[in-house]
Amino acid sequence: DTGVSQDPRHKITKRGQNVTFRCDPISEHNRLYWYRQTLGQGPEFLTYFQNEAQLEKSRLLSDRFSAERPKGSFSTLEIQRTEQGDSAMYLCASSRTGGPEKLFFGSGTQLSVL
Amino acid sequence: DAKTTQPPSMDCAEGRAANLPCNHSTISGNEYVYWYRQIHSQGPQYIIHGLKNNETNEMASLIITEDRKSSTLILPHATLRDTAVYYCIVGQNTDKLIFGTGTRLQVFP
Repeated sequence: DTGVSQDPRHKITKRGQNVTFRCDPISEHNRLYWYRQTLGQGPEFLTYFQNEAQLEKSRLLSDRFSAERPKGSFSTLEIQRTEQGDSAMYLCASSRTGGPEKLFFGSGTQLSVL
Repeated sequence: DAKTTQPPSMDCAEGRAANLPCNHSTISGNEYVYWYRQIHSQGPQYIIHGLKNNETNEMASLIITEDRKSSTLILPHATLRDTAVYYCIVGQNTDKLIFGTGTRLQVFP
């Protein structure tokens, strides 16, 4: 497999701007997850998809955040009207199913909001 | 909140076994124990998981106590590349894994 790919690796934006991140999971992986990680903390769950269906969203995912996986393949995470508190590493992961198996993580997108 | 307790940091000499403990006293019968690690500036990497029995793979061994309230991850021959943050997680499946702050393992020459 080619691994989970995330783009861009780094994003610097000004407060109030919109940003969009992309995640390409391992092909044929049905599940796709988004996590957020701030310095010194473990990753925090944001949301996950089973194919194109978004099955759950964390309360951390405010209405400024939206995620899509339109064809059940790649996914996008958009943050509108960014705030300084949105600065974090945004991680994407995928798995074949939702059972007790391994998650494959990408290298993440580091967002800095100035 | 994470359901596990891990020491914040540990040291290990290169070539020696690294034994990373984890307490999960509130684990339920259908929850697995998962271990991931995260090397600086990378995404977490899966290591191993288990339910009741001890497990071994090419990366590590997982020892789960009989009452399942604690476990130990063993890296048999630690190398400098094993320096990372190690996360112990309990959960039924891969949905909504809750990461704590993990154990920062420093392997020294």
